[in-house]
Amino acid sequence: DQQVKQNSPSLSVQEGRISILNCDYTNSMFDYFLWYKKYPAEGPTFLISISSIKDKNEDGRFTVFLNKSAKHLSLHIVPSQPGDSAVYFCAASAVGGSEKLVFGKGTKLTVNP
Amino acid sequence: DSGVTQTPKHLITATGQRVTLRCSPRSGDLSVYWYQQSLDQGLQFLIQYYNGEERAKGNILERFSAQQFPDLHSELNLSSLELGDSALYFCASSVGGRAGDEQYFGPGTRLTVT
Repeated sequence: DQQVKQNSPSLSVQEGRISILNCDYTNSMFDYFLWYKKYPAEGPTFLISISSIKDKNEDGRFTVFLNKSAKHLSLHIVPSQPGDSAVYFCAASAVGGSEKLVFGKGTKLTVNP
Repeated sequence: DSGVTQTPKHLITATGQRVTLRCSPRSGDLSVYWYQQSLDQGLQFLIQYYNGEERAKGNILERFSAQQFPDLHSELNLSSLELGDSALYFCASSVGGRAGDEQYFGPGTRLTVT
């Protein structure tokens, strides 16, 4: 039973355009969400997080939006750069981030020059 | 470089065998997490240790066990290996005990069971 779903295994965008990566969750106890980025042959690296008390969090080119009623979050990258090409994992946690992380299967983003 | 080291990088072994994966966390980090990533799967949380004590348990099989030593390095022991255990095993560390804190991941150990 997948509690965190990333329904698009891959996404391809042009350099300079917006990349939108989506994530859905089913467990209503989740109240803290994170995005991790992973390059080949490396471990994931933390990108950005959001608590359920907010609906938006921004860090430079990266913005995460949370829609609690739809149990949906999205990561926007603007503008996209070739170096953003990686696998992006959505993760969720309960009790304000105290509980274990539950990861989605990831979306492979390719940014074409 | 995350500061988290994992050894070995690759491991090939036969079914029924036992292996030990090792992880050294970033200097100052007290938590160590172990994750398994099978083909086309997300990262599955296995177990967390905080300052030597087991803090949280995930989908860890009974054939698997882990520990964190006084110097805070951790080992994941996998026994009676099956073909399905072939996966990437990641270790991560963080300063505190909250899973939602930024976790720093090692490069992983790729285990192949033949």
